[in-house]
Amino acid sequence: AQKVTQAQTEISVVEKEDVTLDCVYETRDTTYYLFWYKQPPSGELVFLIRRNSFDEQNEISGRYSWNFQKSTSSFNFTITASQVVDSAVYFCALSEAPSGSRLTFGEGTQLTVNP
Amino acid sequence: GAVVSQHPSRVICKSGTSVKIECRSLDFQATTMFWYRQFPKQSLMLMATSNEGSKATYEQGVEKDKFLINHASLTLSTLTVTSAHPEDSSFYICSVDRSTDTQYFGPGTRLTVL
Repeated sequence: AQKVTQAQTEISVVEKEDVTLDCVYETRDTTYYLFWYKQPPSGELVFLIRRNSFDEQNEISGRYSWNFQKSTSSFNFTITASQVVDSAVYFCALSEAPSGSRLTFGEGTQLTVNP
Repeated sequence: GAVVSQHPSRVICKSGTSVKIECRSLDFQATTMFWYRQFPKQSLMLMATSNEGSKATYEQGVEKDKFLINHASLTLSTLTVTSAHPEDSSFYICSVDRSTDTQYFGPGTRLTVL
């Protein structure tokens, strides 16, 4: 069975601080995908990144970066120089390949960035 | 990313009535859509996988007779909550799988049953 754990329920930082959101996953599949989604107060889930299990390269997109480590089954997300607009719930998720497979979500981390 | 719409965005109904929620894929013909439910301060839980032209696949514990799903076209899936009760009050959100191994989500529908 698949499982995603986001141990941090809530994180509060001051603007311009860096913050890392942790994600640990469990799966028996050798081929799988990992995702991060952002859910602002409006409720809509915004896709941030997808990583497949064969690609362990870290990725950077602006102030966002992701660290995928298969050895520790982790897929952590770092926001550099956080801004108030980053305040949201962030979900890590896992799906089997191929496409059309169900997503298993973590419990989410509520990030609050204070001015 | 895919553009997915949901209608209505909010609905309030009386206990015992039925409510229909629409999920539309605006820029992609989706053979597969997903329906999730999210209770306050909780994660998303998959309810069912909606397959165009065939019966939906429901997750364990989800009553198929209560949550009717119809995926009659490649751009529209509907979820009908039948005989709604206050415990059905939740945020219902659909997603579209674009065969790129990524699901794109609609804006969600907040259902309140009085």
